[in-house]
Amino acid sequence: LAKTTQPISMDSYEGQEVNITCSHNNIATNDYITWYQQFPSQGPRFIIQGYKTKVTNEVASLFIPADRKSSTLSLPRVSLSDTAVYYCLVQTRYNAGNMLTFGGGTRLMVKP
Amino acid sequence: EAGVTQFPSHSVIEKGQTVTLRCDPISGHDNLYWYRRVMGKEIKFLLHFVKESKQDESGMPNNRFLAERTGGTYSTLKVQPAELEDSGVYFCASSRIPGGNYNEQFFGPGTRLTVL
Repeated sequence: LAKTTQPISMDSYEGQEVNITCSHNNIATNDYITWYQQFPSQGPRFIIQGYKTKVTNEVASLFIPADRKSSTLSLPRVSLSDTAVYYCLVQTRYNAGNMLTFGGGTRLMVKP
Repeated sequence: EAGVTQFPSHSVIEKGQTVTLRCDPISGHDNLYWYRRVMGKEIKFLLHFVKESKQDESGMPNNRFLAERTGGTYSTLKVQPAELEDSGVYFCASSRIPGGNYNEQFFGPGTRLTVL
């Protein structure tokens, strides 16, 4: 699976939009991009997934350029409760039941 | 719908002892996964069950770890004998039958294991 690279940490303030970019230069045709969120003392939680262009749900948006070598998770108007670690993962489209491969994640700190 | 539950939430044992962790997946989820994060490291895959069968156990670190899922419902992960390096947080996750474009995994809160 393609290796992912994302910033170790980011700081933001309440009400701001936060964009976390992930690089996955070796992404394959059959791979899709998934983001998970993890709060302290909890397990990771699925946020959003996409293959190309833009995906939006009630929590976030995911922007994927045409070459798919990177992706950007966008969190609109963050609040203190969005403080968490955000993981970018690349998953194979087929054999979708396979394991998740986590990197180091991005530790987002939202300040008042 | 109840989420994935894990028991115990914390366990402190001495080196050489045995510990058994339990995971109850979301009802109807055939896929069950074990992951762990040891101190300062990333979350790593241990193994994957489909119903009661081990689909992939490539992440199991050594033969001191034994996972079972009798009847295809809950799963146990036994560490015997425990070593200091086994300390960490053990996560269980479950998902529906593979299919479609993705397979969202639902994680439990984890069991924090401390080996002294």
